[in-house]
Amino acid sequence: AQSVSQHNHHVILSEAASLELGCNYSYGGTVNLFWYVQYPGQHLQLLLKYFSGDPLVKGIKGFEAEFIKSKFSFNLRKPSVQWSDTAEYFCAVNARTGANNLFFGTGTRLTVIP
Amino acid sequence: EPEVTQTPSHQVTQMGQEVILRCVPISNHLYFYWYRQILGQKVEFLVSFYNNEISEKSEIFDDQFSVERPDGSNFTLKIRSTKLEDSAMYFCASSEATGYKTQYFGPGTRLLVL
Repeated sequence: AQSVSQHNHHVILSEAASLELGCNYSYGGTVNLFWYVQYPGQHLQLLLKYFSGDPLVKGIKGFEAEFIKSKFSFNLRKPSVQWSDTAEYFCAVNARTGANNLFFGTGTRLTVIP
Repeated sequence: EPEVTQTPSHQVTQMGQEVILRCVPISNHLYFYWYRQILGQKVEFLVSFYNNEISEKSEIFDDQFSVERPDGSNFTLKIRSTKLEDSAMYFCASSEATGYKTQYFGPGTRLLVL
C-alpha cells in the first residue's frame, strides 16, 4: 500500500529564512507527486507537481521540489520565506496508472514570524 | 480560473440523521473524488467516481456512504445515518483525466455531528 511521511509537523521560521520540508513515500510503482498548500481558512491549493522529466520542479510563489527516486523523496524548498507563506503544506502521491486516489502525508504546519 | 465549489460550507446535524454534501466539479473534468480530514489528522481518500459509477473506494467508504451525480453538474456525497466519528471536513475534488492527473479541490464542507 502507498504511504506518505512528512517528518516535520510544525516548522517555525523567521522571514527570509530558507525552507525545506521533507516528504518520503512508499510505493512499488511509478507515481505522480504533489505538494498542496492550505492557507488559514482556505482550501487545498496545488503548489506544484511532478509527473516525469526534470526532477526539479518549480511551482507557484517561488516554491520548488526535487524528486529523488533513489530516496523515494520529494522535498519542498523555498530560498526565502515570507510571512504570507504561513500555511499547512501537504505532500501527496498517486499511482501513474490504475487507481487515481491521492495518498496524503500528515501535513507540516509552517509558521513564518515577521 | 474554474474552481470546484461545495455547499454547504458548514453543516451541523444530529447523530443518526442523513446528510447530503454537494459539489460542483470543474466543468470539463471527468473524474470526481471525495476526501475527508478529521480534525488534526491527514486527508483521507473516500471514493472516486467516473462515468457514473464508483471506480475506487476506501475502507472508510462503507454502506453508510453513497455518491451520486444526479445531473450534469452536481456530485453528491450522502451519509445515511451519521455517527459522531463522521465529524470532519469533507473535500470534493475533480480531475480532467487519468495518468498525468492533477486533482483540484473544493473549499470543503465542515460537518459536525452532535
